[in-house]
Amino acid sequence: GAVVSQHPSWVICKSGTSVKIECRSLDFQATTMFWYRQFPKQSLMLMATSNEGSKATYEQGVEKDKFLINHASLTLSTLTVTSAHPEDSSFYICSARGQSRAVYEQYFGPGTRLTVT
Amino acid sequence: KNQVEQSPQSLIILEGKNCTLQCNYTVSPFSNLRWYKQDTGRGPVSLTIMTFSENTKSNGRYTATLDADTKQSSLHITASQLSDSASYICVVSYNQAGTALIFGKGTTLSVSS
Repeated sequence: GAVVSQHPSWVICKSGTSVKIECRSLDFQATTMFWYRQFPKQSLMLMATSNEGSKATYEQGVEKDKFLINHASLTLSTLTVTSAHPEDSSFYICSARGQSRAVYEQYFGPGTRLTVT
Repeated sequence: KNQVEQSPQSLIILEGKNCTLQCNYTVSPFSNLRWYKQDTGRGPVSLTIMTFSENTKSNGRYTATLDADTKQSSLHITASQLSDSASYICVVSYNQAGTALIFGKGTTLSVSS
């Protein structure tokens, strides 16, 4: 089956620093990748959608200058949280969709737990 | 407003018992409905996907039903196991590409021995 990995699985950083999270599709080419944020006991909230080689499309209320998304290749997307603050602490999950896969399937990564102190 | 509501919010059952989780949605247009299992601290894993024309789909001990007329779906778990303890999320897509998803808040299932 399709495998999506994320790195790191958890990270602790100090307020004001930047953190980069990687999302990789391991056995398929991901033409579209999605970044979600999930707070405790809440549903996943879509932050942005990125297509390979294009600028990401951000959901309303998500600051594009704070959450930098790069989808430079068909197997890698990165989310950089710039100048992180404690309120950015959350569970970040990526998902990927490929042309060779079922047209409506998204495959989720295992998530990255970010804690900003 | 597109919404997906799940019930109950949480559920505790004994190992070996069956249970049914509910999902009601007001999403339009409707493309497909998915059920995911999310273990604590992990990403969601797909259990079933149903399009408008499908009213039941099974995946091992998991059976999902869909009533597109009443906009309701259920996930039935048979002979529960301890490893079934997780959050079960109902997700409805409102575009054919599957890129537009509305997530429910999930039902937290705890299976005890």
